[in-house]
Formats: sequence, structure tokens, C-alpha cells
Amino acid sequence: DGGITQSPKYLFRKEGQNVTLSCEQNLNHDAMYWYRQDPGQGLRLIYYSQIVNDFQKGDIAEGYSVSREKKESFPLTVTSAQKNPTAFYLCATLPGRGVTGELFFGEGSRLTVL
Amino acid sequence: AQSVTQPDIHITVSEGASLELRCNYSYGATPYLFWYVQSPGQGLQLLLKYFSGDTLVQGIKGFEAEFKRSQSSFNLRKPSVHWSDAAEYFCAVGAWSGGYQKVTFGTGTKLQVIP
Repeated sequence: DGGITQSPKYLFRKEGQNVTLSCEQNLNHDAMYWYRQDPGQGLRLIYYSQIVNDFQKGDIAEGYSVSREKKESFPLTVTSAQKNPTAFYLCATLPGRGVTGELFFGEGSRLTVL
Repeated sequence: AQSVTQPDIHITVSEGASLELRCNYSYGATPYLFWYVQSPGQGLQLLLKYFSGDTLVQGIKGFEAEFKRSQSSFNLRKPSVHWSDAAEYFCAVGAWSGGYQKVTFGTGTKLQVIP
């Protein structure tokens, strides 16, 4: 089945630890995005990437890092510099570079800092 | 920069009643507009989208939305709500910036359906 797989679904972290959230897609989509969702705040853009080895900061990139070494994969690392990392994280893709379209979403990963 | 406002945080309707969820956007050129739905703990599913053409857009699950440029609005409607429509709904606007399509979301409207 074609789709977007996010893992893990639930993750608990102690303060001061870095964690990496995985996002893998087999849709052959070019663009990939990471959003953060908090209650009452909607979705806020963290990072996005349109091609391998290229990515751009979104609106709330501080305390996060990403890589795009393969077209299929766009992992997000939540570093210890992120002041309030407890949130629901969503990965999304867009079909084509330069093509207007709708985002396709994964099922999300919920990160809780203890 | 684009922005989206969803003025209603929470709406309650009776099953079978009609529904309208409001969305206002801010963007200088012609926007690309979307409505998504999210069940608790899940990802977002596209209901419908507007890129150009007919301003009344039909989507899945019996939803429709109307683009009104003069009012900068893209309200979502459904003539008769079902209990399974209870979820959170997000309006979004897309725009091209520096070779990337950037999509900005509203804060969402949570829909409760009562029997």
C-alpha cells in the first residue's frame, strides 16, 4: 500500500534528551513537510524539503533539525534546545516539485516529555 | 505572508441539522484553499480543495465549500450532519514562496454532533 509511515506513534522523553521521529513515504512524492500540532493552535510548520539534500526552515524551526538524504525519508530530530517539545507531530508530502497540490499526511507521532 | 482565521473554536449541532464552518484567509494573490478533517489522534484527511474555476467546490462525505474573493472567505457547508462527522476541521491556504508551496493552517474548529 502506498502511504506515509510515521514512527514511533508514541514517544516519551526525559528532559535534555534528543529524539528522532521517523517519516517514510512510498508515494514517490518530491516534497516533504513536518508540522507541529498543539491544542487550539492548529498546525505550525517546522521544516520542509523539496529535493534530496535541500530543506528550508518553517515558522518554528528553533530546537529542531532535519535531514533529507533519501527521497523517501525525512526524519525530524527534536533537540534538547526545544523548550516545550510535548506535542503531536505530523509529517506530510506533496506530489511534485513545482506542482500545486494538496498535502498527504501520516498518522502522526505524539511526543511527551517527562 | 498568508494567514487563516477560523473564528469558531467549537461548534455543536444536532444530527440532521445543517452545518457551516467559517474560514477567512489573508493572501495578496489568488490562494489555493483547502479543508481537512482530523479524528482524534489521527492524521488529516482532505475534504476538498479550490485552486481555480467554479467557486463552489464539492468534496467527499457530502461537504461543499464556496470561495468568495470579495469576502476573503472559504466556508465549509453540509446540508445534513451525521454523528460520524464529529471531528476537528481545519481550513488551510497554500501559496508559492521561493519555489516551495507553503501551506498555512487555521487553528481548527471542533465539531460536536448531538443526537
